[in-house]
Amino acid sequence: SQTIHQWPATLVQPVGSPLSLECTVEGTSNPNLYWYRQAAGRGLQLLFYSVGIGQISSEVPQNLSASRPQDRQFILSSKKLLLSDSGFYLCAWRWARSSHGYTFGSGTRLTVV
Amino acid sequence: AQSVTQLDSQVPVFEEAPVELRCNYSSSVSVYLFWYVQYPNQGLQLLLKYLSGSTLVKGINGFEAEFNKSQTSFHLRKPSVHISDTAEYFCAVSEGRDDKIIFGKGTRLHILP
Repeated sequence: SQTIHQWPATLVQPVGSPLSLECTVEGTSNPNLYWYRQAAGRGLQLLFYSVGIGQISSEVPQNLSASRPQDRQFILSSKKLLLSDSGFYLCAWRWARSSHGYTFGSGTRLTVV
Repeated sequence: AQSVTQLDSQVPVFEEAPVELRCNYSSSVSVYLFWYVQYPNQGLQLLLKYLSGSTLVKGINGFEAEFNKSQTSFHLRKPSVHISDTAEYFCAVSEGRDDKIIFGKGTRLHILP
């Protein structure tokens, strides 16, 4: 069966510090991978998605970047965090060109102070 | 492009009473529709999905939803809610086997004792 791992669960970082959140999927190959951010009262905002290694689509211009160095690994990064980067970050995967929905990770609560 | 509207940001309901969470979508093509539930500080979990066929879809935890193409709606219902149903519920749409799923802003379900 497929599983998705996301870490860390919580993170408190000072403004201006770097960020690296990691997400890995097990039990499948060539999944579509997604990063979402959830801010209070704003629903789910799609940040990045990837349909293959090295292929990243950015949905919202911002202070963040994403990379997919391996088939089942998706990394969300920032060189310098802003206060507005605080939120709940969710990773998800889906079979490519599939009728199936997403399977989500357990999320990372990021607080920038 | 597709979009999803969840008409109520919060819905209070007494325990053991029925509930309906409303969702409307817009799309020019055939769609896949989903409902997800999010418990506090957790990722999203798939409740149910409509792909094709019967317009009444049954999901986990006693929830069901009805696809209405003429009204472009996919409302979620439960005949009798329990305190454990307290959560945020997200409606989502995908245009066919598109790479992305678009989410509504969510509805918080408050169960009153």
